[in-house]
Amino acid sequence: GESVGLHLPTLSVQEGDNSIINCAYSNSASDYFIWYKQESGKGPQFIIDIRSNMDKRQGQRVTVLLNKTVKHLSLQIAATQPGDSAVYFCAENYGGSQGNLIFGKGTKLSVKP
Amino acid sequence: EPEVTQTPSHQVTQMGQEVILRCVPISNHLYFYWYRQILGQKVEFLVSFYNNEISEKSEIFDDQFSVERPDGSNFTLKIRSTKLEDSAMYFCASRYRTNTEAFFGQGTRLTVV
Repeated sequence: GESVGLHLPTLSVQEGDNSIINCAYSNSASDYFIWYKQESGKGPQFIIDIRSNMDKRQGQRVTVLLNKTVKHLSLQIAATQPGDSAVYFCAENYGGSQGNLIFGKGTKLSVKP
Repeated sequence: EPEVTQTPSHQVTQMGQEVILRCVPISNHLYFYWYRQILGQKVEFLVSFYNNEISEKSEIFDDQFSVERPDGSNFTLKIRSTKLEDSAMYFCASRYRTNTEAFFGQGTRLTVV
């Protein structure tokens, strides 16, 4: 079975609203997590990362929360803009590996103007 | 800003033919990866490469696949005898250390006919 999964395949929000994208992971040994944004026909683009010794990390308009107790990761996007429309993937880095990332299925975010 | 570059952007090949996908990772990076993404699906790990050798590979990366870093700047993925199911986007990624951001290229779309 897959190690990383997403609760919702699609999310539609109004421009200006906040978005929350969720992710579940199953490897308790994973020690590093990344959120990627992928626009159509392009490669994954780094948004934000978090290490397992943290539970929250903030970037510009984005916040990642990590709950190790329930193995849950979320990405919050503040004041969502049309340019945020894309597929969002969470990825985990299994501790001890050479850094290969295990990706979840992705959530498609659509922002309505 | 440094970036991972991949060529070609699109490759069409006949079943049974060999293909070589090329990547130029970011120059001071030490860890290199190939991933693939079948249309509409998640990004899947193929292989990681460090210190001029394969460090990990997935079950997808069978005897038909090989990787090389021939000259210190290029990183190639060869598929010896392509199958229809090899049709996918192939992404190269690199990073300076494990547990840091992995930078992805824009991908090569491989179509096997």
